[in-house]
Amino acid sequence: AQKITQTQPGMFVQEKEAVTLDCTYDTSDPSYGLFWYKQPSSGEMIFLIYQGSYDQQNATEGRYSLNFQKARKSANLVISASQLGDSAMYFCAMREGAAGGYNKLIFGAGTRLAVHP
Amino acid sequence: EAQVTQNPRYLITVTGKKLTVTCSQNMNHEYMSWYRQDPGLGLRQIYYSMNVEVTDKGDVPEGYKVSRKEKRNFPLILESPSPNQTSLYFCASSLGTGENENYGYTFGSGTRLTVV
Repeated sequence: AQKITQTQPGMFVQEKEAVTLDCTYDTSDPSYGLFWYKQPSSGEMIFLIYQGSYDQQNATEGRYSLNFQKARKSANLVISASQLGDSAMYFCAMREGAAGGYNKLIFGAGTRLAVHP
Repeated sequence: EAQVTQNPRYLITVTGKKLTVTCSQNMNHEYMSWYRQDPGLGLRQIYYSMNVEVTDKGDVPEGYKVSRKEKRNFPLILESPSPNQTSLYFCASSLGTGENENYGYTFGSGTRLTVV
């Protein structure tokens, strides 16, 4: 069974508008972390934002925020005021088993975001 | 500058010719890992290492080998590459583990491998 599901293969957004990229996850581990990475056309993986399973508040980093709904097991990325440079592939990832000394990142299939002027 | 360095960035090789992709990190990280990225599948873990001389299989280890003789280096070895190993490869390192801590990964720039 897929542990990270990104249901949107591609998304379009107008410049300066907000966009939400969906991510749902599946784990029975009480301790886990959720990450979003950006991959521009150049290929590198850029860390955007992190949410720990015990964090009470949604994570924010500049124009990025993570809409964490623990009961629904969703961790959607919200990008406010989209810019042309936001056009990229976005990956949601989960790290589980940290309490047991295991540090594996599990990735979703990704969502390709295109920002139009 | 803290970084993970992968080499080469691009590689075209022929089926069966052994190759090594090098990975080095300068952050004294204990945890290192190799991933391959394929369209529609995201990144999948090949092998990982929790410390020197400690390595284990990830989700797609077939056709790959690794070694961790020094903390900073974690090379990926393809003994007999095949066309289905054509992919984008990433090395990544992490400080370690900690319950609910942001021990995220630092990724290398990637190696685009083509096996013909």
